[in-house]
Amino acid sequence: DAGVIQSPRHEVTEMGQEVTLRCKPISGHNSLFWYRQTMMRGLELLIYFNNNVPIDDSGMPEDRFSAKMPNASFSTLKIQPSEPRDSAVYFCASSLNGANTEAFFGQGTRLTVV
Amino acid sequence: GENVEQHPSTLSVQEGDSAVIKCTYSDSASNYFPWYKQELGKRPQLIIDIRSNVGEKKDQRIAVTLNKTAKHFSLHITETQPEDSAVYFCAAITLSGGSYIPTFGRGTSLIVHP
Repeated sequence: DAGVIQSPRHEVTEMGQEVTLRCKPISGHNSLFWYRQTMMRGLELLIYFNNNVPIDDSGMPEDRFSAKMPNASFSTLKIQPSEPRDSAVYFCASSLNGANTEAFFGQGTRLTVV
Repeated sequence: GENVEQHPSTLSVQEGDSAVIKCTYSDSASNYFPWYKQELGKRPQLIIDIRSNVGEKKDQRIAVTLNKTAKHFSLHITETQPEDSAVYFCAAITLSGGSYIPTFGRGTSLIVHP
């Protein structure tokens, strides 16, 4: 398996534009997490899915953020409209849902909103 | 929910010295504690983990200790090398909504001076 795959690796967009980040989890993993990483706040959990169902989105900062997981092999995180303070590295991670299982991270998407 | 505190935020050592990073957690139900290393511009990757039925685990120059009573765990790196320079994250895994969720500390930036 190629691991968790995210795209794009880098995204530069203008304030107000819609941004869509994509993630392909490891095949067979049934939990998927979206994290945002900044210097100030570290790794923040935005939302997680279990068996494609969103379980907790309380970490999503605002209504401008939304996430979907239409099937077991694909998830998106959308920001509409984007703002400069959304600039961060966004990581997707997946795991086998279990008490002692490792979360595997994708390479991340570095988002810059100007 | 779970809260993980990590200290220090920055740690600077000379090559060959030891480094210790400490974390505390709040949810006594957490039972799995992984440590991740994130090199500059890369994804976090698991380097060692410890389960709640174990007090200490060692892997070459890296060791982790866990005190469940006090709810704290630590990462110890001996004979540090420049390639150990990275950001280290501790995490606690907690069951929430039927999913096992990693909650991360804020990270420790370790700098090893040659």
